[in-house]
Amino acid sequence: AQKVTQAQTEISVVEKEDVTLDCVYETRDTTYYLFWYKQPPSGELVFLIRRNSFDEQNEISGRYSWNFQKSTSSFNFTITASQVVDSAVYFCALFTGSARQLTFGSGTQLTVLP
Amino acid sequence: GAVVSQHPSRVICKSGTSVKIECRSLDFQATTMFWYRQFPKKSLMLMATSNEGSKATYEQGVEKDKFLINHASLTLSTLTVTSAHPEDSSFYICSAPTPGLIPLFGPGTRLTVL
Repeated sequence: AQKVTQAQTEISVVEKEDVTLDCVYETRDTTYYLFWYKQPPSGELVFLIRRNSFDEQNEISGRYSWNFQKSTSSFNFTITASQVVDSAVYFCALFTGSARQLTFGSGTQLTVLP
Repeated sequence: GAVVSQHPSRVICKSGTSVKIECRSLDFQATTMFWYRQFPKKSLMLMATSNEGSKATYEQGVEKDKFLINHASLTLSTLTVTSAHPEDSSFYICSAPTPGLIPLFGPGTRLTVL
């Protein structure tokens, strides 16, 4: 069975602080994809990144960076110098060939205060 | 670029009526689309997988006679909530994977049944 755990239900930071959102996953598949999505108050899920299980290279995109570690089954997301517009719910998700569907974590509500 | 659209964005209906929600993939074709339901402050729950040219596959506990899914073409899937009741009020989101296997999501439909 597949499982994604986002232990942080809510995080609150002050603007310009760095913040890391944790994601831990479970699967027996050797090939899988990991995703992060942002859901602002409007409700639409915005795709942020996809990482496949064979690529452990960390990635940076502007203020966003992702740390994928297979040894700990984690795919953490860091926002540097957070901004108020970063306030949203962030979901980590896992896709495997055996499940053939996305398994979502419970989400982390990030609030960035001015 | 590839986008998933969803219509309507918001609908209010009376108990006992049926409501149709459309999901379209723009600039790409999708033989498979997914329908999710999201309760307030909760994660996404997969309801069903919509398959072009064949019957939809429903998740356990989802009434197929209540939530009718039709994948009319390679760019359109519809979800019809039949004989809606107040407990059907929720946020419904569709998803379609791009040819590059990135699941994109529609903006969602907020259904309120009075």
